Amino acid sequence: AQRVTQPEKLLSVFKGAPVELKCNYSYSGSPELFWYVQYSRQRLQLLLRHISRESIKGFTADLNKGETSFHLKKPFAQEEDSAMYYCAPHTGNQFYFGTGTSLTVIP
Amino acid sequence: NAGVTQTPKFRILKIGQSMTLQCAQDMNHNYMYWYRQDPGMGLKLIYYSVGAGITDKGEVPNGYNVSRSTTEDFPLRLELAAPSQTSVYFCASSQQGSGNTIYFGEGSWLTVV
Repeated sequence: AQRVTQPEKLLSVFKGAPVELKCNYSYSGSPELFWYVQYSRQRLQLLLRHISRESIKGFTADLNKGETSFHLKKPFAQEEDSAMYYCAPHTGNQFYFGTGTSLTVIP
Repeated sequence: NAGVTQTPKFRILKIGQSMTLQCAQDMNHNYMYWYRQDPGMGLKLIYYSVGAGITDKGEVPNGYNVSRSTTEDFPLRLELAAPSQTSVYFCASSQQGSGNTIYFGEGSWLTVV
């Protein structure tokens, strides 16, 4: 069965500290990989996608095919980064999301 | 720039009642989805559609029905509401399937009592 795991439900870091949100997946084939974010009182929206290889709001995500991981990283967390983050590997007609990690950045 | 629009935003249902959550998108997207979000459980795919007249089950389809008579609309029907269907429901759409950004509605909060 296809599966995506985000091991941390809750993650707290201090402002200015590095942050890493973990995502591991077990999908057949080569899924497209996304991170979505939901800020308080806002709709879920795309943060970044692997294929674009871009940095959005200081976040990057590296695909490790050997470990089947797609961890989200930011070197210096900001208070406005506090949100719910979802890892989403998609392939074919499989549009599943992870259980999410709630990130709190402490001032 | 409406994007994906869901109605109603909030609804309280009694056990056994039925209702339809409406969803419309104005981006001419082929793919549309319905997810439910339970606390601590993330997003679960209920149903999806790859185009008008075509729908398919996701992870948790039991207790729900959908239809896709037009490209724009993708209503979700709850028959015989149960407390287990208390959740936040999100409609979403994308141009094509995997590899494309999914755009979400604002969500519909449903409570079954």
